[in-house]
Amino acid sequence: GDSVTQMEGPVTLSEEAFLTINCTYTATGYPSLFWYVQYPGEGLQLLLKATKADDKGSNKGFEATYRKETTSFHLEKGSVQVSDSAVYFCALTGGGNKLTFGTGTQLKVEL
Amino acid sequence: DADVTQTPRNRITKTGKRIMLECSQTKGHDRMYWYRQDPGLGLRLIYYSFDVKDINKGEISDGYSVSRQAQAKFSLSLESAIPNQTALYFCATSDLGQGSRETQYFGPGTRLLVL
Repeated sequence: GDSVTQMEGPVTLSEEAFLTINCTYTATGYPSLFWYVQYPGEGLQLLLKATKADDKGSNKGFEATYRKETTSFHLEKGSVQVSDSAVYFCALTGGGNKLTFGTGTQLKVEL
Repeated sequence: DADVTQTPRNRITKTGKRIMLECSQTKGHDRMYWYRQDPGLGLRLIYYSFDVKDINKGEISDGYSVSRQAQAKFSLSLESAIPNQTALYFCATSDLGQGSRETQYFGPGTRLLVL
């Protein structure tokens, strides 16, 4: 079945540092890929998505590129802020259009 | 106003009690979902509904039931709550538009503690 693997956290960075959160997937067919973000005490919000190979999703300074050859969708941001502290979930929709989530990566950004 | 609302936001109950978690949406979406979130496990799908007459089990449906009362309402019930159902529960909606792939929109969550 479909699965998503993302790096374990917590990831702790200083403000303005470069962020990478790795995500790899296993799926049949051609899934769509997503990054969701969960701020403390809130539900999940869609951060960005990509629907086909080589697409780049971007939002709020975050980017991720759909790499079919490496089955990856790594999340990057050039300069993180304290307000980016949250839990980040990589996810995919494959057959049946149901979301499969990774386990989440907590990001802590310190001054 | 929020597009996807959940009530209650927090609930404490005792083992063996029946409880219902409610979800309402104003997005006009046909598809609705219930997930639970546990530390280190991400989100797991409990039940989903693609329209009012369609109910499907997810990966962890045992011990849960659902009711789709209307397009906008989707309720999750725990018939006899047990402590390992202590978790954060999320409702979500989606609308599979033509030419697009599914994006789900989440409610704020219900934190449930079963003693």
